Amino acid sequence: KAGVTQTPRYLIKTRGQQVTLSCSPISGHRSVSWYQQTPGQGLQFLFEYFSETQRNKGNFPGRFSGRQFSNSRSEMNVSTLELGDSALYLCASSLVGGDVAFFGQGTRLTVV
Amino acid sequence: KQEVTQIPAALSVPEGENLVLNCSFTDSAIYNLQWFRQDPGKGLTSLLLIQSSQREQTSGRLNASLDKSSGRSTLYIAASQPGDSATYLCALDSGGYQKVTFGTGTKLQVIP
Repeated sequence: KAGVTQTPRYLIKTRGQQVTLSCSPISGHRSVSWYQQTPGQGLQFLFEYFSETQRNKGNFPGRFSGRQFSNSRSEMNVSTLELGDSALYLCASSLVGGDVAFFGQGTRLTVV
Repeated sequence: KQEVTQIPAALSVPEGENLVLNCSFTDSAIYNLQWFRQDPGKGLTSLLLIQSSQREQTSGRLNASLDKSSGRSTLYIAASQPGDSATYLCALDSGGYQKVTFGTGTKLQVIP
């Protein structure tokens, strides 16, 4: 059974650009959550999608957005990148949300 | 706002020792609590999930307890091994806005 797949694994972007990250959940999982991990702030919840609808949202500016497709794959978009957006972005999938979460390896984003 | 603290921040023990990791939280209105481990540069691996109505969960050498009245959870690792070396994180799912709050983590090193 394939795990959670995140692409790309590494990204370098310039300040002001936008970026799209992808997450393919475990087959059958309908809930996908996104997290940002930085040395200073630790792991912070971005948002959760379930059946193509955003169900919960963390305390991040509107530059951070996401969506989920009918096959449960999810994308996260960050517009107008800032240096502080440099982080490891993790996605996690679970069957319905609130159950055991399985994490991907993450996408390491560096903004220069 | 939920605040989650893990003490100690780092721990070094000799192989074979039993140890306890602590997780304290401020808001007892939780849906569940999950313990994860994270290896350097990797995603998170779920170890144990305790639902709000449960008191403890066990898996192999691991035992996690939950005491909502005191705002505490502990992760007990029996007969520690060098392969247990990782950062351990607790995460509280509040089921609503901000949904998941992660602790600050405990970095464990088991010395052969």
